[in-house]
Formats: sequence, C-alpha cells, structure tokens
Amino acid sequence: GQQVMQIPQYQHVQEGEDFTTYCNSSTTLSNIQWYKQRPGGHPVFLIQLVKSGEVKKQKRLTFQFGEAKKNSSLHITATQTTDVGTYFCAAPSGGYQKVTFGTGTKLQVIP
Amino acid sequence: DSGVTQTPKHLITATGQRVTLRCSPRSGDLSVYWYQQSLDQGLQFLIQYYNGEERAKGNILERFSAQQFPDLHSELNLSSLELGDSALYFCASSVAGGAYEQYFGPGTRLTVT
Repeated sequence: GQQVMQIPQYQHVQEGEDFTTYCNSSTTLSNIQWYKQRPGGHPVFLIQLVKSGEVKKQKRLTFQFGEAKKNSSLHITATQTTDVGTYFCAAPSGGYQKVTFGTGTKLQVIP
Repeated sequence: DSGVTQTPKHLITATGQRVTLRCSPRSGDLSVYWYQQSLDQGLQFLIQYYNGEERAKGNILERFSAQQFPDLHSELNLSSLELGDSALYFCASSVAGGAYEQYFGPGTRLTVT
C-alpha cells in the first residue's frame, strides 16, 4: 500500500532559525495536505496542494509540491515558539477515500 | 473550534471491558474518519464512513467496530480492551472522500488499566 514518509522525525531549532520538513511518497499523489498538531491538541488543516510544482505561502510558511507529485516540503522562515508542534503531511489513497498520514515531524523551538 | 465534537473527552476503563466513543461531524460533512494516536506516535487510520456506508478500512482490529448513523454521527466501539489500546482516538470529518481537507475533533483519551 501507499507509504508516506517524513523526515526528519524530530527537529530542534533556535528561535529565529528556519525549519524544513520533507514528505516523500512511494507513488504519485493526486494531492497532498499538511496538518499541524500542537502539543495536547488535535491536527489542524493547514493547506492542500494539487498541481505539479505548486508553491503556496502562508505568512512565514511555504509549501511546495514536487514536479513529479511524489514529494512535498514545508518550510518555516524565522521560527517562533508558536510554531512548536508536529507537522503531518497527508495524501489520499485507496480510491480517494482513505487518507494516509505521514509519520510526522516534531518541531521544538528553543527560545 | 473545528465544529467536530467527540464524547467523552476522557475514558478510564479496565482490561476486558467495552467502550463506545461518539463523534458528531461538522454540519454538512458526509465523511467521518477514525484515527488512533498512541503516545508521541503518528495517526493510524482505522476506518472511514461516507453517508452511512463504510468506504475504507485501515489497520482496525477485529475487536473494534464502527458505524455511521442516518444523522451522520458515528460511533467507534472497542471491545475486549487491552492495555495496548490506551491511546488518543480522533474523529475527523470532511465534505466527501480523501481529496478534501479533514477537520478533527478534540479526541477521546482512552486509558485501559
């Protein structure tokens, strides 16, 4: 079945440094979604990418979908303590009904 | 507030028991998903329903079952509970299938003692 791997698993950064998490799939994806889960919270939808090579920005967050639609990245510029949490990518599979979540990247920001 | 509600928030029970977790999706959403998240782990997809019908199944144990009712709320039944079933159980809803963003409820934290 479809596997979605994320790297790194953990990342500690100093506040103000940049952060990037990568998501890689074994199969071509129709779209990819990104979610953020704060400590003690539930996953919250951030964005969806659909087109090959698509780039979307949300303030300090930049999301990218690979040209082959098999990988994606989330880049945060100048991290803040509010960025702390686990970032998951997710992609539909199984006839578009099921969604496979990536393994997640846990971000810690040191003030 | 995502608009998805889950009850109860916390549940403590003993091994061998059976529990029911309840989820009400966002207004207008027809799909409901159930996920299990163990401590500091990822989201394990359990099962998905769309408008009352089961549409996709993940690594759901035979001791677990779910259903979606005509009013679109869903219940996840966990039976013959084991210590390893202790986890956070999330429900999420979306307009339709996996191509649409999901909105997660606050989760039910299950502790099996």
